[in-house]
Amino acid sequence: GQQLNQSPQSMFIQEGEDVSMNCTSSSIFNTWLWYKQEPGEGPVLLIALYKAGELTSNGRLTAQFGITRKDSFLNISASIPSDVGIYFCALGRSQGNLIFGKGTKLSVKP
Amino acid sequence: DAGVIQSPRHEVTEMGQEVTLRCKPISGHDYLFWYRQTMMRGLELLIYFNNNVPIDDSGMPEDRFSAKMPNASFSTLKIQPSEPRDSAVYFCASSPDRVSGDEAFFGQGTRLTVV
Repeated sequence: GQQLNQSPQSMFIQEGEDVSMNCTSSSIFNTWLWYKQEPGEGPVLLIALYKAGELTSNGRLTAQFGITRKDSFLNISASIPSDVGIYFCALGRSQGNLIFGKGTKLSVKP
Repeated sequence: DAGVIQSPRHEVTEMGQEVTLRCKPISGHDYLFWYRQTMMRGLELLIYFNNNVPIDDSGMPEDRFSAKMPNASFSTLKIQPSEPRDSAVYFCASSPDRVSGDEAFFGQGTRLTVV
């Protein structure tokens, strides 16, 4: 089956620092999604990418769909304490369902 | 729209009991997904429906798990009999038709504890 690797598993950063995380897949996909999950809540969609090479921003968040269609990264600039949470990448399959990465747990020290 | 609504938010039950989790998807969405989240396995897709029809239930761990979607606004996930290893957070999500995109919107989840 498809393999989806997300890294790093966790990050401990200082407030104000930039953050970068990425996902790679063993197969080509047409959709990359990035979600954030806060404690006690469900994942919330941050950014959706549909075209190879696409670069999309949402406030301080920027995500790119890799040219090979096998990878994607998410950057957070000037992190703040409320950025704390688990960030997931997800792949959209042709059948309509999503496959999720294991997540990157972000901790921000004020 | 209120988003995806799940109930109950928390459920504690004894091993062997039947558990029913409920979900109301976003109105107009064609797809409904049931996910399970644990520390060890992360987010696992259990089953999903398209227009109330189950499409793929290969993620359902055992015959003890069953899911139904009797209409476009309601779905249930049932575990009978429940076991301690079923303890997890269960999420329901819905998404619009494929033309609109692949984005899935999640409910707040049901935290299930089987003792």
